[in-house]
Order: sequence, then C-alpha cells, then structure tokens
Amino acid sequence: AQSVAQPEDQVNVAEGNPLTVKCTYSVSGNPYLFWYVQYPNRGLQFLLKYITGDNLVKGSYGFEAEFNKSQTSFHLKKPSALVSDSALYFCAVSGVTGGGNKLTFGTGTQLKVEL
Amino acid sequence: DAGITQSPRHKVTETGTPVTLRCHQTENHRYMYWYRQDPGHGLRLIHYSYGVKDTDKGEVSDGYSVSRSKTEDFLLTLESATSSQTSVYFCAISKGLAGSGIQETQYFGPGTRLLVL
Repeated sequence: AQSVAQPEDQVNVAEGNPLTVKCTYSVSGNPYLFWYVQYPNRGLQFLLKYITGDNLVKGSYGFEAEFNKSQTSFHLKKPSALVSDSALYFCAVSGVTGGGNKLTFGTGTQLKVEL
Repeated sequence: DAGITQSPRHKVTETGTPVTLRCHQTENHRYMYWYRQDPGHGLRLIHYSYGVKDTDKGEVSDGYSVSRSKTEDFLLTLESATSSQTSVYFCAISKGLAGSGIQETQYFGPGTRLLVL
C-alpha cells in the first residue's frame, strides 16, 4: 500500500525567508509524486510533479521540490516566501488503479507567512 | 478549475435522506474521480471512473455509489446520508493521454460542502 506523511501540521515563516514543507512517501515501484495547494474555500491547485529525471522539479509560483530517493522524501521549497503563499499544501503519491491514477494524499501542512 | 463544475456548492440535509452530487466537465476527459476532504485525513478517494459506465471503488466507498452515463457527468450518490458523511467533496479529472495514466496530473473542481444533520 502507498502512503504519504507530512510531519508538520503548520509551518510558520517570515516573508522573504526561504520555506520548506516536508513530505515523505512509501510506495512499491517507481514513485510519482505531486504537490497541490489549497486556498480557503477553493479546490486544489496543481503546483508540480516528479515523474523521472532531474531530482529538482520546478513548478508554479516560484515553487520547487527536491526528490530524494534514498530518504524517500519530496520536500517543497521556495527561496523567498510571500504572504500570499499562505495556504494549505498537500503532497500526494500516485498508484495504479484499473485506469487513471489513484492519488494518496498526506494530511496537509498549513503554511503561514508573516510580515 | 480546469473546466470542472460541481453542484450544488453547498447542501444541508438530514440523516437518512438520499443526496446526489454532480460533477460536470466540458473537455471530454476520460478519467473522473470523487474525493472527500476531512481534517486530519487529507483527501481520500471514494470512487473513480475510467469511461462511460466504467467505475470502480476507492479507499472509502462504503455508503456511496456513482454513475457515469455521459462522458461529461459523474454523479456521486449518498443513498442514506449519515452524519459521518459531513465533508467537503471534490471532483477531479485527468486527461487519459498517456498509457495507464499513473503519471497524469489530476485537476480539481471547486468542491461541494455537505452538512448532514
């Protein structure tokens, strides 16, 4: 069975500082990993994904994520946080269904960026 | 929201009543999914569809049924709503362009907030 852990319920960071939101995963076979962001009363928005290749994946809004196979981690990063980045972030891992893909999500990390 | 609409957006109902939520997409994507979001659980897959009349169960399917009679519509039915089904329900699609689809991005609708009293 596949699983995702987001060990921090909340991350606080000052605007302009770098941010990291942690994610570790467990899956048999090749890992396909995703990050989504959710703003209040909205659906999830796709940020980035790792399929294969370069371990550093660049995504939307200046976010990037680093895939580390030995540590089974896929941490989300941004060099300089903005107040507008404050939101709920979800990491997910993909597994095979009868067709399409079955996403297993972590429990989410609330990011709060303060002035 | 990737051409996905959900209706209703908010619903309050009573225990024991049937409820149907609708997901509509405008771009003829092959795969559609229903998730529920609860604090402390993230999102969990209820049911998914890989084509018209082709559906299967997800992680938390008990108490739910689905139907897909047209490509664009995926219905989620709570046959007899219970308070434990109070949640936010999200529909998602993936385009079905690449093989089994395991690598594909899912795009989410705006959600339906359901309260069962």
